[in-house]
Amino acid sequence: DTGVSQDPRHKITKRGQNVTFRCDPISEHNRLYWYRQTLGQGPEFLTYFQNEAQLEKSRLLSDRFSAERPKGSFSTLEIQRTEQGDSAMYLCASSLGLAVNIQYFGAGTRLSVL
Amino acid sequence: ILNVEQSPQSLHVQEGDSTNFTCSFPSSNFYALHWYRWETAKSPEALFVMTLNGDEKKKGRISATLNTKEGYSYLYIKGSQPEDSATYLCAPPNQGGKLIFGQGTELSVKP
Repeated sequence: DTGVSQDPRHKITKRGQNVTFRCDPISEHNRLYWYRQTLGQGPEFLTYFQNEAQLEKSRLLSDRFSAERPKGSFSTLEIQRTEQGDSAMYLCASSLGLAVNIQYFGAGTRLSVL
Repeated sequence: ILNVEQSPQSLHVQEGDSTNFTCSFPSSNFYALHWYRWETAKSPEALFVMTLNGDEKKKGRISATLNTKEGYSYLYIKGSQPEDSATYLCAPPNQGGKLIFGQGTELSVKP
């Protein structure tokens, strides 16, 4: 296992289009987190899963955003009707669940909305 | 809502200089602090997870201290090298283990 992988690494889209990102966590990790990072800021929490259950969604996550983790394995994050303000780095991380456990991050998907 | 502050925002040093950054966080309900290093085009990499007041951790030339009573942690880099150039992030976990990140300290080490 080589760690957390995210696909695609870069995505350029036009405003109003839908986009979907994928995250493959470390296989034995039950927790999966999504974060978003914009220029000059630290990553901000978006949502997380314990196995297949989505346990929390940030207020940052508007109705245009949806995330899934079918069967508790990979996860997808979809953004519908993209806006220029959605342009950011979207990071995925996985862990064994306890707050003291390290979260292992993917390299992120950089989204540019034109 | 946790408020995590890091200073300075950016730092430019010469190779061989030692440097340190600060992370401030609310001291109430504390139970851990994570430090990450994030190099451009790579994944954020965990450096330390600190839990106990007075904790000191070391990894090569990088070390960190923790004061949970006053709510701060210091990260030290001894003899900075160009490969240390990165953004250094601190984050206490909140409910559910989600990390609340500071804005980061961007370190640039010139050869």
